[in-house]
Amino acid sequence: LQLQESGPGLVKPSETLSLTCTVSGGSISSSSYYWGWIRQPPGKGLEWIGSIYYTESTYYNPSLKSRVTISVDTSNNQFSLKLSSVTAADTAVYYCARHDNSGWPVQDVFDNWGRGTMVTVSS
Amino acid sequence: SSELTQDPAVSVALGQTVRITCQGDSLGSSYASWYQQKPGQAPLLVMFANNKRPSGIPDRLSGSSSRNTASLTITGAQAEDEADYYCNSRDSANNHVIFGGGTKLTVL
Repeated sequence: LQLQESGPGLVKPSETLSLTCTVSGGSISSSSYYWGWIRQPPGKGLEWIGSIYYTESTYYNPSLKSRVTISVDTSNNQFSLKLSSVTAADTAVYYCARHDNSGWPVQDVFDNWGRGTMVTVSS
Repeated sequence: SSELTQDPAVSVALGQTVRITCQGDSLGSSYASWYQQKPGQAPLLVMFANNKRPSGIPDRLSGSSSRNTASLTITGAQAEDEADYYCNSRDSANNHVIFGGGTKLTVL
């Protein structure tokens, strides 16, 4: 399984950041997995943005929920991230990953990651 | 909302044993996963469901959990274990994923 992020590396403040993750070597319509976005500002830790199931069920980080939309395109085996009204604080490496949240007790396992794409917010 | 707390930095002598911990209320009701991240690379899953290793992860890495603390232990640390390590779990109050702040492991 491979995941590859793509999208602009530079976004202007107040605009919308848009990224796509292309999944190869497996189907995004697998019944076992969600598909997630995680970001990492330079020199800082990981922050989960949100995840989507192939049925378009989503859940988001409450701190970003008002600005985030994640969608899925099963025909092209892709899922996408849109983050609106960006500021310099949104500058980060953005990763897509396969997200296993099945089983009990609850767990959230990101078991396959893309290489990440750096997005800079600057005018 | 819940948080996961990790020591910012830990060091270990080559060949010795080190434990990296992750504390948080969410760990009382959900499993922890652990990720290793080397400079310029994506995170790599090294432990899930508290103590299960994915295929290809050396058995010198082990995991455990007690009450609200999850631990990742490296027995016989090697130079290639030098990395940042992150834990994550579920914040049941808000139903969202949380990550610890990360621990930078230095192998001396």
